[in-house]
Amino acid sequence: DTGVSQNPRHKITKRGQNVTFRCDPISEHNRLYWYRQTLGQGPEFLTYFQNEAQLEKSRLLSDRFSAERPKGSFSTLEIQRTEQGDSAMYLCASSAVAGFSEQYFGPGTRLTVT
Amino acid sequence: RKEVEQDPGPFNVPEGATVAFNCTYSNSASQSFFWYRQDCRKEPKLLMSVYSSGNEDGRFTAQLNRASQYISLLIRDSKLSDSATYLCVVTNAGNNRKLIWGLGTSLAVNP
Repeated sequence: DTGVSQNPRHKITKRGQNVTFRCDPISEHNRLYWYRQTLGQGPEFLTYFQNEAQLEKSRLLSDRFSAERPKGSFSTLEIQRTEQGDSAMYLCASSAVAGFSEQYFGPGTRLTVT
Repeated sequence: RKEVEQDPGPFNVPEGATVAFNCTYSNSASQSFFWYRQDCRKEPKLLMSVYSSGNEDGRFTAQLNRASQYISLLIRDSKLSDSATYLCVVTNAGNNRKLIWGLGTSLAVNP
């Protein structure tokens, strides 16, 4: 499978715990994006990378959220001191730099904070 | 005003019907336009990019009207498997290609 992959697919954690998600983009894609989606809403942009550089962060991304893409390939999204409001689907997408920049999504990580 | 607006629906149509969705966007500098499809509790999947001249892919036709800042999606001969939420997406101006999402239009195709 050469699509975007994410793991874990599901994560249940207690409030106050830290969680980390991983995304492996399509191999030839330079850009990688993180989104958050809750039921009935469209995906909300969190941050994006071009290669290893993090070029934009949303105001939604509080101090408790951090993302890295150390070698310009896979990326991790960490949430520290999770809160119940963090419960959502966390989606990763990747795109090539050129062209229409269509973004292709991974299956998402569904986070439930109890 | 939201940057991308769609009628949330739901649209309930019988199999074989033709259904059209519209979407308006507020930023006249928006550069690229897409329709994504999302099934319940799944990730969005790219359905079509929308080109200025309009484009067709099988039963699906997308149109862009830059002057009026709206995008449309037409589905002909709808199938049960077309039931999903259809999300209108535009990119903002600039280089970051950030996607701006509508909330989606829900379609239910009934037998």
